[in-house]
Amino acid sequence: AQSVTQPDIHITVSEGASLELRCNYSYGATPYLFWYVQSPGQGLQLLLKYFSGDTLVQGIKGFEAEFKRSQSSFNLRKPSVHWSDAAEYFCAVGLWSGGYNKLIFGAGTRLAVHP
Amino acid sequence: DSGVTQTPKHLITATGQRVTLRCSPRSGDLSVYWYQQSLDQGLQFLIQYYNGEERAKGNILERFSAQQFPDLHSELNLSSLELGDSALYFCASSVAPTSTHEQYFGPGTRLTVT
Repeated sequence: AQSVTQPDIHITVSEGASLELRCNYSYGATPYLFWYVQSPGQGLQLLLKYFSGDTLVQGIKGFEAEFKRSQSSFNLRKPSVHWSDAAEYFCAVGLWSGGYNKLIFGAGTRLAVHP
Repeated sequence: DSGVTQTPKHLITATGQRVTLRCSPRSGDLSVYWYQQSLDQGLQFLIQYYNGEERAKGNILERFSAQQFPDLHSELNLSSLELGDSALYFCASSVAPTSTHEQYFGPGTRLTVT
C-alpha cells in the first residue's frame, strides 16, 4: 500500500541554522511528491512539488527538496531558517489512478525555531 | 489566500446531530476534495468530486456524504455525530483531477462535537 513516512515528529532549530526535514514514501510507480506547510490556525500551503525531470526542485520561501529514487526519499531543505518558518510541514504523494487523484499525507513534522 | 473558501470556520455541536460544511473552490477549478485532519488519524482523504460527479472515495464513513453542485461549490454532510468526529475538515480544489494539478487548500472548518 502507498504510504508516506516523516520520521521526525518534532524538530527544533535555531534561527539562521540550516534545516532538513525527512520524507520517505512507498509507492510502486513514479510518484508525484509534494511538500505543504501549515501555519497555526491556517490551511495548507504548497511549498513545492516534483513530477519529473530535475530531481532538485525549488519552492517558495527559500525551500528546496531533492528526490532520490534509490532511497525513496524527498527531503525538504532550507539553508537558513527564519522564525516565521515555525509551522507544521507535511510531505505527500499524489496518486493518480483510473481518473481520480488523491493525496496521501505523512504524519507531519512540527518545526520550532529558537531565536 | 488560496482562493478556496470554507464556511463556517468553527462549528460546535452535540453528539447525534447533523452538520453541513460548505466549500467554494477557486475560480475555474472543477475538482473538489475533502480531507479530515485529526490528532490520531492525521490528514486523511475523504472524497473527491469533479464537475459534479463523485470520482473517488477515501476513508469516508457511511454517516458522511458530500455533493458538488452545478455552481461547483461542495457540501460535506456529517450525521449522527460522535465525539471522534471532532476534527479540522479541509476542502481543496484543483483545475482537473490529475496528480499533476496541484490542490489548493481552504482554511478549514474546525468541528467540535460535545
